[in-house]
Amino acid sequence: TQLLEQSPQFLSIQEGENLTVYCNSSSVFSSLQWYRQEPGEGPVLLVTVVTGGEVKKLKRLTFQFGDARKDSSLHITAAQTGDTGLYLCAGAGSGGSNYKLTFGKGTLLTVNP
Amino acid sequence: SAVISQKPSRDICQRGTSLTIQCQVDSQVTMMFWYRQQPGQSLTLIATANQGSEATYESGFVIDKFPISRPNLTFSTLTVSNMSPEDSSIYLCSVWTVANEQFFGPGTRLTVL
Repeated sequence: TQLLEQSPQFLSIQEGENLTVYCNSSSVFSSLQWYRQEPGEGPVLLVTVVTGGEVKKLKRLTFQFGDARKDSSLHITAAQTGDTGLYLCAGAGSGGSNYKLTFGKGTLLTVNP
Repeated sequence: SAVISQKPSRDICQRGTSLTIQCQVDSQVTMMFWYRQQPGQSLTLIATANQGSEATYESGFVIDKFPISRPNLTFSTLTVSNMSPEDSSIYLCSVWTVANEQFFGPGTRLTVL
């Protein structure tokens, strides 16, 4: 069974601060996806990383996939109140089950004005 | 990407009854899935909805409790049968696209009294 450990579980910061969320596993994933979920809504896909060592930027968000494709991080620069939400990482299996996602438990981020 | 809608968006049901949730996608997709997200928790895969054949259930989920239909490539239903308060959750459908990305519907928030 593939497991994804996500940390921290809760994070409360002031607007303008930087933060990093981590997603770690002992398993190798074919790809890793990051989602943000707001209350009462479904998860919204932010990015997919596929290649070991890959770095993707989405405005103030920087996503990195570990060289061994076992871990990933999400860094937010100068957080804004609109960044508040539940951030979920999800790893896709390899081989014939690459469509099956294993989700981390999520990081609940609160950005205070 | 894919645009996914779910009906109903929320419902309050009595113990022992059943509820059918509908999922509609704006394009034909091969892979559709049903997830459960219990309060304050991450997402757990219930089953893969297969077009033209029986759904594939994950460990801990059975067809008698969660019957699934997939009559075509754009539509699926999940029924939560003989409900108990423990079934109170958000139920989400998702699709896997040819770009190897997974998109989620807005979810159905179910409360069982």
